[in-house]
Amino acid sequence: KNQVEQSPQSLIILEGKNCTLQCNYTVSPFSNLRWYKQDTGRGPVSLTIMTFSENTKSNGRYTATLDADTKQSSLHITASQLSDSASYICVVSSFYGNNRLAFGKGNQVVVIP
Amino acid sequence: NAGVTQTPKFQVLKTGQSMTLQCAQDMNHNSMYWYRQDPGMGLRLIYYSASEGTTDKGEVPNGYNVSRLNKREFSLRLESAAPSQTSVYFCASSELTSGRDEQFFGPGTRLTVL
Repeated sequence: KNQVEQSPQSLIILEGKNCTLQCNYTVSPFSNLRWYKQDTGRGPVSLTIMTFSENTKSNGRYTATLDADTKQSSLHITASQLSDSASYICVVSSFYGNNRLAFGKGNQVVVIP
Repeated sequence: NAGVTQTPKFQVLKTGQSMTLQCAQDMNHNSMYWYRQDPGMGLRLIYYSASEGTTDKGEVPNGYNVSRLNKREFSLRLESAAPSQTSVYFCASSELTSGRDEQFFGPGTRLTVL
């Protein structure tokens, strides 16, 4: 069973509009949660990281939120640009399991002019 | 700094052929990883190396072998390729194997096994 579920699987948005991506996880005990951006044909690149005590983290037009009680996170993209077209991957790590990270399947975002 | 580099970028093999995927990092990281990414699935860990001289199995190690040649280089070998190994392979590195350390990914190798 996948420990990290992301929704929606894919979405298309108009340039300049906002969108929100969701991530639900069951990983326990929770250590931190990262959002990665993966452009087509490239490797993932970290956008934000949040630990248990952090509720929100921003990186430019990207804002991530975390509710550790409900085990939910979201990634909000403000004023989308064509370069935001990518897959956004939610990755959760536990205090146990050494290097093992739990990867979501990704949210595929397509921004159209 | 180049970060994490992988060679080759693309490869086509016939069933039963062998090949080695190369990975190198110039960030002086201790830990290195090999993942595969398949359509509709999240990244899955094949093998990792917590430090030079050590390697451990990940989630999907069958059909693969690895070598941590030195601190910089971590190779992935397919001894007898199978169509089920058609995938995109990513190498990554991090300072330590702690989940709190960011993993930096290479550009990937697209492998097709016919």
